Amino acid sequence: DAGITQSPRHKVTETGTPVTLRCHQTENHRYMYWYRQDPGHGLRLIHYSYGVKDTDKGEVSDGYSVSRSKTEDFLLTLESATSSQTSVYFCAISESPRDGRNEQYFGPGTRLTVT
Amino acid sequence: DAKTTQPPSMDCAEGRAANLPCNHSTISGNEYVYWYRQIHSQGPQYIIHGLKNNETNEMASLIITEDRKSSTLILPHATLRDTAVYYCIVSRRGQGGKLIFGQGTELSVKP
Repeated sequence: DAGITQSPRHKVTETGTPVTLRCHQTENHRYMYWYRQDPGHGLRLIHYSYGVKDTDKGEVSDGYSVSRSKTEDFLLTLESATSSQTSVYFCAISESPRDGRNEQYFGPGTRLTVT
Repeated sequence: DAKTTQPPSMDCAEGRAANLPCNHSTISGNEYVYWYRQIHSQGPQYIIHGLKNNETNEMASLIITEDRKSSTLILPHATLRDTAVYYCIVSRRGQGGKLIFGQGTELSVKP
């Protein structure tokens, strides 16, 4: 696997509590992504980052915020977790999408349960 | 973005070639075809990509038709460890590297 770690790997939290998931890379890749995966929906992009402090929304960004203060870390925050955010969250990295090339490398995932 | 169509499931005998088709009839000239796979409970894994020409790497071969409206991923000698969901994705320049995952093809390699 590429040098991508996610923490925590599993988390159970209560509705209304804030939650932060961390993605850490050792590849010095410029782009980082957060996806969620749910049965029947496949993988959907939440937010992505194209550099330190540069982020943009994906297709399912409502209820989520992100931050990237250094190249190696990309944080996903659920300000007030809801049961609909129960999912498996994957982080991915990409060196630099150019000329249409977009090889992304994925982390092991974080399984989040909101009760 | 060009949409892709894949069969929901396929079976393959161990040791035989697995040929996974993908239709992308609305693909435009600057869009690449990507293949990823996801083994149960793991993160997706990049396999291969191509623009016009056929491509081969240590994992698989990618055959793209001349009109680029369809492609086939070939696993030459499938093993039980190749059992996974395979995603065919079209991605173009300037999208910020965003990938749109569909439902993919669930490949079952059987002994």
